Order: sequence, then structure tokens, then C-alpha cells
Amino acid sequence: KNQVEQSPQSLIILEGKNCTLQCNYTVSPFSNLRWYKQDTGRGPVSLTIMTFSENTKSNGRYTATLDADTKQSSLHITASQLSDSASYICVVTDRGSTLGRLYFGRGTQLTVWP
Amino acid sequence: EADIYQTPRYLVIGTGKKITLECSQTMGHDKMYWYQQDPGMELHLIHYSYGVNSTEKGDLSSESTVSRIRTEHFPLTLESARPSHTSQYLCASSEWDHPKTQYFGPGTRLLVL
Repeated sequence: KNQVEQSPQSLIILEGKNCTLQCNYTVSPFSNLRWYKQDTGRGPVSLTIMTFSENTKSNGRYTATLDADTKQSSLHITASQLSDSASYICVVTDRGSTLGRLYFGRGTQLTVWP
Repeated sequence: EADIYQTPRYLVIGTGKKITLECSQTMGHDKMYWYQQDPGMELHLIHYSYGVNSTEKGDLSSESTVSRIRTEHFPLTLESARPSHTSQYLCASSEWDHPKTQYFGPGTRLLVL
């Protein structure tokens, strides 16, 4: 069973609208959580990173939240643009991993229509 | 934009051929990784390296092999490609002190006929 679950699997919204993507995880002990954006045919690019003590982090129109007690995170996208169309991947690292191994969600495929 | 490169970006090849996917980074990172990603699925770690002459198998069993003769290069080789090897292969690297910050290359999309 994957230790990082994302929802919804896919989402279609109109340009200019807001949306929220969800991530639930069971990885323990927790170190940090990242949201990556992966354009089609490209490698993932980091959007935000949050450690245990942080509960919100913004990067332009992207705002991530973290509830370490319930092991949930969300990524809110404001005023969506066509270029936001991509897969958004939630990635969790455990504290005991000296390698830096990451636990990946399957991603939410976001499509923004004009 | 991360300074990590992969070639080729796309490869279509017949069954039984030997292929090498190239990965290079100019950031001087000690740690490098290979991931396999199927459409709509999560990334799976197949190989990693702590540095020169260090290679380890990842979480997902893979018939591929890797080598790390130079810090900046981490090629992945399939001795005899099969249709089951069709996938996207992503290379990544990270600093020793900050292993959680992995920088990804653009990926190689492999199709084995």
C-alpha cells in the first residue's frame, strides 16, 4: 500500500478559478513534505517544502498547508492559468532516511481550460 | 532550472537491444538516483549512488544496471531491452548535506517494441 495518497486523481477547472489538491500520508517518522509540479514529458520541479513545525508555505499563487497531527497536506492554487496544467505530486521524506529516499504519491493531474 | 541532463529524451528500440540512458549533472552533487515512472503512477526508486564507485539497488527491482565512475555521470544500462521495460526513466541528484532536496532531470521516455 502506498504511504502517500493523493486526491483527486484528476481535476479539470476553468482558467481563473481556484482549486485545492489533497495529500494524506502514513510515512513515519516524518521529516518533510514537498509538492512537486511535473509538466508532461518533464521531470518534477519542487514548488514548496514544509517541515514538521510549518503549517503553511506559499510560492506565488501556490499555497501548501500541512497538518502533521492528522498527516494531511493540501495545495491550493489561486487564479489558475493555462500553464498550471500539469501533474502535482506530493512527496514525503522520513526522518530516519539518511539516503534521502522519498515516498511519492501518484499525483493529481490538473487540466486548466480556457 | 536544475543543471541535470538526460539523453536521449525519447527512445524507440526493438526487443533484445542493449541501451544506455545517460544522466549528467554539473552541480557537483554526490548523491544520484534513477527512478522509473509509468503513466499515472508514482515514481519508484530503482538505483542510487552515494558517490564515485558506489551503487545500490532501490526499492523496485529492475533488470537494469548502473555505474558511477565519475561524480557527474550516472548512466543506466539495459543489456537486453524487453517491452516490459517501456516506461519513463528519471534521473535525480542531491547534495550530501541536503539529501531531501532532489533535483530531477527531464526524463527519458523509452518504448521497447
